[in-house]
Amino acid sequence: RKEVEQDPGPFNVPEGATVAFNCTYSNSASQSFFWYRQDCRKEPKLLMSVYSSGNEDGRFTAQLNRASQYISLLIRDSKLSDSATYLCVVNPGGTSYGKLTFGQGTILTVHP
Amino acid sequence: DVKVTQSSRYLVKRTGEKVFLECVQDMDHENMFWYRQDPGLGLRLIYFSYDVKMKEKGDIPEGYSVSREKKERFSLILESASTNQTSMYLCASRTGTGPYGYTFGSGTRLTVV
Repeated sequence: RKEVEQDPGPFNVPEGATVAFNCTYSNSASQSFFWYRQDCRKEPKLLMSVYSSGNEDGRFTAQLNRASQYISLLIRDSKLSDSATYLCVVNPGGTSYGKLTFGQGTILTVHP
Repeated sequence: DVKVTQSSRYLVKRTGEKVFLECVQDMDHENMFWYRQDPGLGLRLIYFSYDVKMKEKGDIPEGYSVSREKKERFSLILESASTNQTSMYLCASRTGTGPYGYTFGSGTRLTVV
């Protein structure tokens, strides 16, 4: 089983749609969680951290369910500029020397 | 803002050449990482370092070595470049403690011909 699993998509949605991405992780001791966004041929950039209580940043909402080892990202009112690959990222903690574990990414295309 | 700078955006090298990829970060981060990214394979960790002169192998270290003589600089070395090392190389840094993510450099797209 992969340490971090994501549905690779692709997700093709019209502008204005709501889209949700899911991610599961295998290490129950994982300490912190993130969503990164990667545009084509660019580096990944931190979109948002994910907190146990859930957190929102404008049109983006992230949720964490530690019991189910599940993370989600919800994008409301999708824009063309949201088209990118979304990476689920987990900090396993422990003796990992600060290494983060990445999912394979979910591709989102928002069309007019 | 933390800045991670990679010395080259695009690089073309010949098979057998020794290649140096440089990465510098300006926020006194303890941890630095080298990844490669290929279509369909995601990000794969090559090497990382958690302190000056300390290095650890990642998942795919074969054909690579690293150097960290100063805290801010982490170099990736391709001892004898091969065509299967054509890839996007990404450097990242992170503070050693706390719930913080990576900051990535803008990447080096290396082509070995």
